[in-house]
Amino acid sequence: DTAVSQTPKYLVTQMGNDKSIKCEQNLGHDTMYWYKQDSKKFLKIMFSYNNKELIINETVPNRFSPKSPDKAHLNLHINSLELGDSAVYFCASSRADTDTQYFGPGTRLTVL
Amino acid sequence: GDSVTQMEGPVTLSEEAFLTINCTYTATGYPSLFWYVQYPGEGLQLLLKATKADDKGSNKGFEATYRKETTSFHLEKGSVQVSDSAVYFCALDSNYQLIWGAGTKLIIKP
Repeated sequence: DTAVSQTPKYLVTQMGNDKSIKCEQNLGHDTMYWYKQDSKKFLKIMFSYNNKELIINETVPNRFSPKSPDKAHLNLHINSLELGDSAVYFCASSRADTDTQYFGPGTRLTVL
Repeated sequence: GDSVTQMEGPVTLSEEAFLTINCTYTATGYPSLFWYVQYPGEGLQLLLKATKADDKGSNKGFEATYRKETTSFHLEKGSVQVSDSAVYFCALDSNYQLIWGAGTKLIIKP
Protein backbone atom coordinates (compact mmCIF):
# COMPACT_ATOMS: atom_id res chain seq x y z
CA ASP A 1 0.00 0.00 0.00
CA THR A 2 2.88 2.34 -0.90
CA ALA A 3 1.63 5.91 -1.17
CA VAL A 4 4.18 7.35 -3.63
CA SER A 5 6.36 4.93 -5.55
CA GLN A 6 9.18 5.44 -8.01
CA THR A 7 10.98 3.15 -10.42
CA PRO A 8 13.76 2.39 -10.78
CA LYS A 9 15.42 2.90 -7.41
CA TYR A 10 18.87 3.00 -9.04
CA LEU A 11 19.73 4.00 -12.59
CA VAL A 12 23.25 3.90 -14.01
CA THR A 13 23.73 5.06 -17.57
CA GLN A 14 26.16 6.60 -20.03
CA MET A 15 26.40 10.25 -21.00
CA GLY A 16 24.24 11.12 -23.96
CA ASN A 17 21.59 8.48 -23.29
CA ASP A 18 17.88 9.18 -22.80
CA LYS A 19 16.17 7.76 -19.73
CA SER A 20 12.87 7.92 -17.87
CA ILE A 21 11.93 7.66 -14.22
CA LYS A 22 8.39 6.66 -13.33
CA CYS A 23 6.30 7.91 -10.43
CA GLU A 24 2.92 6.75 -9.23
CA GLN A 25 0.78 7.87 -6.30
CA ASN A 26 -2.26 6.09 -4.93
CA LEU A 27 -3.34 8.88 -2.60
CA GLY A 28 -5.80 10.46 -4.96
CA HIS A 29 -3.76 13.65 -4.97
CA ASP A 30 -4.18 16.31 -7.63
CA THR A 31 -0.68 17.74 -7.73
CA MET A 32 2.64 15.99 -8.32
CA TYR A 33 6.21 17.22 -8.19
CA TRP A 34 9.72 16.34 -9.19
CA TYR A 35 12.72 17.34 -7.09
CA LYS A 36 16.45 16.97 -7.62
CA GLN A 37 18.66 16.40 -4.57
CA ASP A 38 22.39 16.92 -5.04
CA SER A 39 25.25 15.30 -3.18
CA LYS A 40 25.06 17.96 -0.46
CA LYS A 41 21.39 17.09 0.14
CA PHE A 42 20.20 20.40 -1.30
CA LEU A 43 16.67 20.06 -2.67
CA LYS A 44 15.59 21.80 -5.85
CA ILE A 45 12.05 21.81 -7.21
CA MET A 46 12.02 20.96 -10.89
CA PHE A 47 8.35 20.76 -11.78
CA SER A 48 4.95 20.82 -10.25
CA TYR A 49 1.96 19.56 -12.20
CA ASN A 50 -1.75 19.16 -11.79
CA ASN A 51 -4.35 18.44 -14.39
CA LYS A 52 -4.55 22.09 -15.24
CA GLU A 53 -1.11 23.55 -15.02
CA LEU A 54 2.54 22.69 -15.38
CA ILE A 55 4.89 24.93 -13.46
CA ILE A 56 8.48 24.65 -14.55
CA ASN A 57 11.44 25.89 -12.59
CA GLU A 58 13.10 28.13 -15.16
CA THR A 59 16.55 26.88 -14.20
CA VAL A 60 15.74 23.33 -15.31
CA PRO A 61 17.27 22.50 -18.72
CA ASN A 62 14.76 21.66 -21.42
CA ARG A 63 16.36 18.21 -21.66
CA PHE A 64 14.11 17.39 -18.71
CA SER A 65 10.43 16.92 -19.41
CA PRO A 66 7.57 15.66 -17.25
CA LYS A 67 4.96 13.41 -18.80
CA SER A 68 1.67 12.64 -17.11
CA PRO A 69 -0.44 9.88 -18.67
CA ASP A 70 -3.05 10.31 -15.94
CA LYS A 71 -3.60 11.99 -12.59
CA ALA A 72 -1.84 9.25 -10.64
CA HIS A 73 1.37 9.25 -12.67
CA LEU A 74 4.07 11.80 -13.42
CA ASN A 75 7.09 10.46 -15.22
CA LEU A 76 10.35 12.30 -15.75
CA HIS A 77 12.07 11.98 -19.09
CA ILE A 78 15.65 13.11 -19.52
CA ASN A 79 17.33 13.52 -22.91
CA SER A 80 21.05 13.60 -23.63
CA LEU A 81 22.13 12.86 -20.08
CA GLU A 82 25.11 14.78 -18.70
CA LEU A 83 27.47 14.07 -15.82
CA GLY A 84 25.89 16.89 -13.81
CA ASP A 85 22.53 15.15 -13.93
CA SER A 86 23.82 12.61 -11.41
CA ALA A 87 21.68 13.08 -8.30
CA VAL A 88 18.77 11.60 -6.42
CA TYR A 89 15.40 12.46 -7.94
CA PHE A 90 12.32 12.53 -5.75
CA CYS A 91 8.72 12.48 -6.78
CA ALA A 92 6.11 13.94 -4.41
CA SER A 93 2.38 14.58 -4.39
CA SER A 94 -0.17 16.66 -2.52
CA ARG A 95 -3.84 17.45 -2.56
CA ALA A 96 -4.59 20.61 -4.44
CA ASP A 97 -6.17 22.18 -1.40
CA THR A 98 -3.53 21.36 1.20
CA ASP A 99 0.16 21.99 1.39
CA THR A 100 1.61 18.78 2.84
CA GLN A 101 3.68 16.88 0.31
CA TYR A 102 4.28 13.13 0.39
CA PHE A 103 7.53 11.88 -1.06
CA GLY A 104 8.58 8.79 -2.92
CA PRO A 105 11.71 6.85 -1.93
CA GLY A 106 13.89 8.46 -4.58
CA THR A 107 15.78 7.34 -7.69
CA ARG A 108 19.54 7.54 -7.58
CA LEU A 109 20.75 8.44 -11.08
CA THR A 110 24.42 7.99 -11.92
CA VAL A 111 25.69 9.23 -15.27
CA LEU A 112 29.07 7.82 -16.32
CA GLY B 1 11.22 36.20 -2.67
CA ASP B 2 10.41 33.81 0.13
CA SER B 3 13.34 31.94 1.66
CA VAL B 4 14.32 29.61 4.47
CA THR B 5 17.62 29.58 6.32
CA GLN B 6 18.61 26.77 8.63
CA MET B 7 21.75 26.10 10.60
CA GLU B 8 24.55 24.36 8.83
CA GLY B 9 25.45 20.85 9.78
CA PRO B 10 26.51 18.41 10.62
CA VAL B 11 25.27 18.67 14.17
CA THR B 12 26.82 15.96 16.33
CA LEU B 13 25.35 15.12 19.73
CA SER B 14 25.53 12.34 22.26
CA GLU B 15 22.49 10.21 22.98
CA GLU B 16 20.03 11.84 25.41
CA ALA B 17 21.34 15.34 24.66
CA PHE B 18 19.00 18.28 24.01
CA LEU B 19 18.60 19.19 20.36
CA THR B 20 17.92 22.52 18.71
CA ILE B 21 18.09 23.06 14.96
CA ASN B 22 17.52 26.67 14.05
CA CYS B 23 15.30 27.74 11.18
CA THR B 24 14.37 31.27 10.17
CA TYR B 25 12.35 32.43 7.22
CA THR B 26 11.41 35.43 5.14
CA ALA B 27 8.00 35.49 3.56
CA THR B 28 5.11 37.69 2.63
CA GLY B 29 2.03 36.91 4.62
CA TYR B 30 1.83 34.01 7.04
CA PRO B 31 2.86 30.79 5.38
CA SER B 32 2.56 27.30 6.82
CA LEU B 33 5.87 26.01 8.18
CA PHE B 34 7.20 22.47 8.10
CA TRP B 35 9.94 20.20 9.26
CA TYR B 36 10.69 17.18 7.12
CA VAL B 37 13.11 14.39 7.99
CA GLN B 38 15.14 12.23 5.63
CA TYR B 39 16.57 9.03 7.09
CA PRO B 40 19.57 7.50 5.31
CA GLY B 41 18.64 6.04 1.94
CA GLU B 42 15.01 7.12 2.17
CA GLY B 43 12.70 9.82 0.90
CA LEU B 44 11.55 12.79 2.95
CA GLN B 45 8.80 12.41 5.53
CA LEU B 46 6.76 15.13 7.12
CA LEU B 47 7.83 15.40 10.77
CA LEU B 48 5.61 18.25 11.92
CA LYS B 49 3.94 21.42 10.73
CA ALA B 50 2.37 24.62 12.02
CA THR B 51 -0.09 26.72 10.08
CA LYS B 52 -0.33 29.95 12.06
CA ALA B 53 1.53 32.11 14.53
CA ASP B 54 2.09 30.60 17.98
CA ASP B 55 1.05 27.13 16.79
CA LYS B 56 3.24 24.35 18.07
CA GLY B 57 3.80 21.31 15.87
CA SER B 58 4.90 18.11 17.56
CA ASN B 59 5.65 14.52 16.63
CA LYS B 60 7.92 11.71 17.91
CA GLY B 61 9.18 13.94 20.75
CA PHE B 62 10.11 16.77 18.38
CA GLU B 63 8.53 20.20 18.71
CA ALA B 64 8.65 23.50 16.85
CA THR B 65 6.75 26.72 17.53
CA TYR B 66 5.77 29.19 14.84
CA ARG B 67 7.22 32.52 16.03
CA LYS B 68 6.00 35.38 13.90
CA GLU B 69 7.91 38.06 15.84
CA THR B 70 11.26 36.38 15.22
CA THR B 71 10.26 34.68 11.93
CA SER B 72 11.55 31.41 13.30
CA PHE B 73 10.52 27.77 13.53
CA HIS B 74 13.28 26.09 15.51
CA LEU B 75 13.18 22.32 15.92
CA GLU B 76 13.74 20.92 19.43
CA LYS B 77 13.85 17.58 21.15
CA GLY B 78 14.56 17.00 24.79
CA SER B 79 16.48 13.73 24.55
CA VAL B 80 17.77 12.49 21.21
CA GLN B 81 18.34 8.88 20.26
CA VAL B 82 20.72 7.27 17.79
CA SER B 83 17.70 6.53 15.60
CA ASP B 84 17.15 10.30 15.19
CA SER B 85 20.26 10.52 13.02
CA ALA B 86 19.01 11.94 9.73
CA VAL B 87 18.88 15.08 7.64
CA TYR B 88 16.26 17.61 8.75
CA PHE B 89 14.71 20.12 6.37
CA CYS B 90 12.80 23.25 7.29
CA ALA B 91 10.33 24.49 4.68
CA LEU B 92 7.58 27.02 4.15
CA ASP B 93 4.58 26.94 1.91
CA SER B 94 4.45 29.66 -0.72
CA ASN B 95 1.32 29.27 -2.85
CA TYR B 96 1.46 25.47 -2.49
CA GLN B 97 5.13 25.39 -3.52
CA LEU B 98 7.45 24.41 -0.74
CA ILE B 99 10.49 26.62 -0.24
CA TRP B 100 13.22 24.51 1.34
CA GLY B 101 16.10 25.16 3.64
CA ALA B 102 19.45 23.55 2.80
CA GLY B 103 19.00 20.72 5.30
CA THR B 104 20.85 19.98 8.53
CA LYS B 105 22.53 16.64 9.04
CA LEU B 106 22.14 15.34 12.58
CA ILE B 107 24.50 12.68 13.92
CA ILE B 108 23.74 11.09 17.28
CA LYS B 109 26.53 9.09 18.90
CA PRO B 110 25.78 6.35 21.45
